[in-house]
Amino acid sequence: GAGVSQTPSNKVTEKGKYVELRCDPISGHTALYWYRQSLGQGPEFLIYFQGTGAADDSGLPNDRFFAVRPEGSVSTLKIQRTERGDSAVYLCASSPGGGAALGANVLTFGAGSRLTVL
Amino acid sequence: SQELEQSPQSLIVQEGKNLTINCTSSKTLYGLYWYKQKYGEGLIFLMMLQKGGEEKSHEKITAKLDEKKQQSSLHITASQPSHAGIYLCGALDMDTGRRALTFGSGTRLQVQP
Repeated sequence: GAGVSQTPSNKVTEKGKYVELRCDPISGHTALYWYRQSLGQGPEFLIYFQGTGAADDSGLPNDRFFAVRPEGSVSTLKIQRTERGDSAVYLCASSPGGGAALGANVLTFGAGSRLTVL
Repeated sequence: SQELEQSPQSLIVQEGKNLTINCTSSKTLYGLYWYKQKYGEGLIFLMMLQKGGEEKSHEKITAKLDEKKQQSSLHITASQPSHAGIYLCGALDMDTGRRALTFGSGTRLQVQP
């Protein structure tokens, strides 16, 4: 697609429920990133994919969070047993990837999915 | 791990005034990325700086990376209401090899007509 698309744009759920957030990156971008942004803060890194594999998942806060990218394109961030502290905007970004060149790491962001856990 | 500190946290200026935002790193920067974010939207890439002393401009926004590569500044000349938003700096932590950018907490800019 022309840009990074995220769905849903807004999600309200109850504590303890399961949530899936979807990201459709720019066509041809091999690198995909998930970030979480709380009010008044900068984006906080969660996980990074290069192709289908999670190259770095060190930012996932705990084992309730999981992300997949089975075909190297669309990615889904999955949150189990949601807690009120999970409320935030979840941002997805993609980049051309494939190398250490700084230009390969210019991220294009989606508009985000705002998650509210009641 | 790398930390980026931005100052000021927020700024209110009158339209037409100049302003500067700073980003200071706890480690040597090997690349510094500036982004802008409007409420309810994702981050928009502005500029990337790589070399010490490098300066880039886009329209009325100029960004510079200092010679020691531990601080970057973003300067806006003759600010307009369209410049309002949150400005974020991001960098790669080359010591850890993480390929994902680490961001500062942002500077919130309001421009009053």
